[in-house]
Amino acid sequence: GAVVSQHPSWVICKSGTSVKIECRSLDFQATTMFWYRQFPKQSLMLMATSNEGSKATYEQGVEKDKFLINHASLTLSTLTVTSAHPEDSSFYICSAGSGAGGGETQYFGPGTRLLVL
Amino acid sequence: KQEVTQIPAALSVPEGENLVLNCSFTDSAIYNLQWFRQDPGKGLTSLLLIQSSQREQTSGRLNASLDKSSGRSTLYIAASQPGDSATYLCAVRNTDKLIFGTGTRLQVFP
Repeated sequence: GAVVSQHPSWVICKSGTSVKIECRSLDFQATTMFWYRQFPKQSLMLMATSNEGSKATYEQGVEKDKFLINHASLTLSTLTVTSAHPEDSSFYICSAGSGAGGGETQYFGPGTRLLVL
Repeated sequence: KQEVTQIPAALSVPEGENLVLNCSFTDSAIYNLQWFRQDPGKGLTSLLLIQSSQREQTSGRLNASLDKSSGRSTLYIAASQPGDSATYLCAVRNTDKLIFGTGTRLQVFP
């Protein structure tokens, strides 16, 4: 089956620093990748959708200058949390989909837990 | 705006019971609906995917139904086991987005 990896699996950083999270599709080409954020005991909230080679589309209320998304290839997307603050501490999950239209399945990564001190 | 709600929010049952988890959505114009399992601190495991043209899907002890016109889906778990303890999320697909429900935290005790 399709496998999506994330790196790192967890990260602790000081307030004000930037953190980069990688999302890779290991055995398929992902035309679209999605980034979600999940706070404790809450559901997943979509942050942005990225297509290879084009700018990401951000959901309402998500600061594009704070959460930089790069989808440089069909197997790699990165999320950079710039000038992280404690309120950015969360569980970040990416997913990858292939093909176009409404029938594709999204494959989810294992998540990255971010703790900002 | 699509909104997805799951009932109950939490459920604690002895093993062996048959369970019903409910998911409702406000916009019936969906492509498909998926049920996921999430263990604490972990990512998502896809359990079942129902296309909009389908009425149900089955996998082992799991059965999911979809009534698109009424905006409802049900996940049925037969003969529950302690290993089924997790959070169960439903998600509906509108165009290229998955919108997740609020989740049901399930605990099955021996």
